[in-house]
Formats: sequence, structure tokens, C-alpha cells
Amino acid sequence: EIVLTQSPGTLSLSPGERATLSCRASQIVSSSYLAWYQQRPGQAPRLLIYGASSRATGIPDRFSGSGSGTDFTLTISRLEPEDFAVYYCQQYGSSLWTFGQGTKVEIK
Amino acid sequence: QVQLVESGGGVVQPGRSLRLSCAASGFTFSSYDMHWVRQAPGKGLEWVAVISYDRGKKYYADSVKGRFTISRDNSKNTLYLQMNSLRAEDTAVYYCAKEGDVSGWYYFDSWGQGTLVTVSS
Repeated sequence: EIVLTQSPGTLSLSPGERATLSCRASQIVSSSYLAWYQQRPGQAPRLLIYGASSRATGIPDRFSGSGSGTDFTLTISRLEPEDFAVYYCQQYGSSLWTFGQGTKVEIK
Repeated sequence: QVQLVESGGGVVQPGRSLRLSCAASGFTFSSYDMHWVRQAPGKGLEWVAVISYDRGKKYYADSVKGRFTISRDNSKNTLYLQMNSLRAEDTAVYYCAKEGDVSGWYYFDSWGQGTLVTVSS
């Protein structure tokens, strides 16, 4: 089973700042199989990025994904108030889906 | 638009059973693989199970294998999760999720609002 490790656990930033979130896999992951989700308190997760770098429908272009192999990154170019939330990466491999433990982006 | 509505959660004693349902609308349900994902209180997301669009394939997380059964009724646009031999560690919000439109990329593009299952004596 591929384990995804997200860092940092918590990111304290101010609105307007840039956020860089990391997701590292224990084995090589196909870029097609890497996705990112946002979860606000009390809400269901929302798809942001699939295929490592493709933005989902309706997602603002301040969100971008990059990476390959075992290292993937979600970047939020300028944080808006609604972006303070928890972010999860997710991968697929060998008929199993796994999530990272999440990164919380909080207001500094 | 896509809508997924879970139901069937509640409080259940350890060792008992519960069946969750997920009513789908706004898309061609019979064309998509469907999943259950859970989230224990204050914790992260854990994938639980998947069923292919034609019910031909079912896969489970090791933590629920042999105890949970995923199924679907394409005539009713409904996904199910039969949970037997429930344990305290199964306490979680259970989400149903639709697999994405890009076939073979294995991501979840729509989620329900979830139903809470509490296993407690």
C-alpha cells in the first residue's frame, strides 16, 4: 500500500500570502492518479486538482498542482479568506485508494 | 447538477449491523464507479470501498474487508454499504463519492454530505 505523507501538518499564513503544500508518496505514483481536495469545517471534501495538475470545474486559477514520481505540490498563489481549510492529497494504486493525513491552512 | 444524499446512519451497539444508502441524481448513475469514504471524528479521510458501474468489481480497505459489503441498484440510482460486526473504530461520517469523468484516473469529483455512524454500547 502506498502511504502519502503531507507536510507541513499546519500552515499559518495571512490572506494574500502564497501557500505551498507538499504530498510525498512512499512509492512512485502515476501523475494521472494524484488528486487534491479541500475540506472546510462541517463540509464534505471538494475536488480541487486531478491528474496532479488539472483543475476541477469551477476551481479558481489561484489553485495549481504540480509534481511527479513521489513528490507532489499544491500551491495557492494568493490566499483568500475562504481558502483557510484542510487539504488532502489522494492516490490510486493496485485497486486501493489512499489519502494523506491532511494539511491545515490556518489564519495567522 | 450531481447530487448524492446519504442516509441510514445512527447509533448502533458493537457487533451489530447497519446499512447505509446513497441516492444519486443529476448524472447517469449506471455509468460510474462509486465509492464509500469515511472520516472518524477529528481525523482524516479513509477510503472504504468501491463498486464498478456494472457491479462486476468490488474492492475494500483491509480495515473493513469481510465485514462490509458494497452494492448498488442501478434501476434505483442507489448505492449501499452493508456494515456487519461493527466496532467502535468504525465510528465515522460516511460519504459516498462518485468517480471522476476522466475514465481511469481514479479520483472523486462529487461527494455527498455524509451520514454519521456511531458505534457505542
